[in-house]
Amino acid sequence: DGGITQSPKYLFRKEGQNVTLSCEQNLNHDAMYWYRQDPGQGLRLIYYSQIVNDFQKGDIAEGYSVSREKKESFPLTVTSAQKNPTAFYLCASSRTNQETQYFGPGTRLLVL
Amino acid sequence: QQQVKQSPQSLIVQKGGIPIINCAYENTAFDYFPWYQQFPGKGPALLIAIRPDVSEKKEGRFTISFNKSAKQFSLHIMDSQPGDSATYFCAASGMGGADGLTFGKGTHLIIQP
Repeated sequence: DGGITQSPKYLFRKEGQNVTLSCEQNLNHDAMYWYRQDPGQGLRLIYYSQIVNDFQKGDIAEGYSVSREKKESFPLTVTSAQKNPTAFYLCASSRTNQETQYFGPGTRLLVL
Repeated sequence: QQQVKQSPQSLIVQKGGIPIINCAYENTAFDYFPWYQQFPGKGPALLIAIRPDVSEKKEGRFTISFNKSAKQFSLHIMDSQPGDSATYFCAASGMGGADGLTFGKGTHLIIQP
């Protein structure tokens, strides 16, 4: 079954805690992306990676970090520096130089 | 910040009607314009996409109209059905999409039976 998986579906963060959201794809896509979705705000780009061991900041990268050690994996860490982390986080992937981005099912992050 | 402006924010249409959602952009470097459909609690799914070298594209009941000079594009849904009720997002990108998408804020569409 090909696709993009995100885990967990729900995640709770305590004050001052770092949490990591998982994103895995078995589509053999080179490019991967992280977006944040807030009600009435659409999706905003956090980070993206075109190739293993390389990634670029998107529009709202402050308070987030990523790594791309493997082609199929692109985890996102929400650090304690992100003061308003409550949101729906979406991971996407695409083949290099191909426009179509395929999205995972999302992770909803809530603050305790 | 590059923006894509989407309207209306919400839309209610009777079954069989033709909802129209409009988007406008500012950055002339944008060269790829997809539309996504999202159901509650799910990730967005690509519906249809267009490039600036064509003025219209149809896929099934979904049509994109593109006006390059006005920097506007719109989504039309023919013979709309209650199952089309969802949130629709327009998006745009440059470099063929390699540097990520800039999304509109979404339109919440309800198709009444």
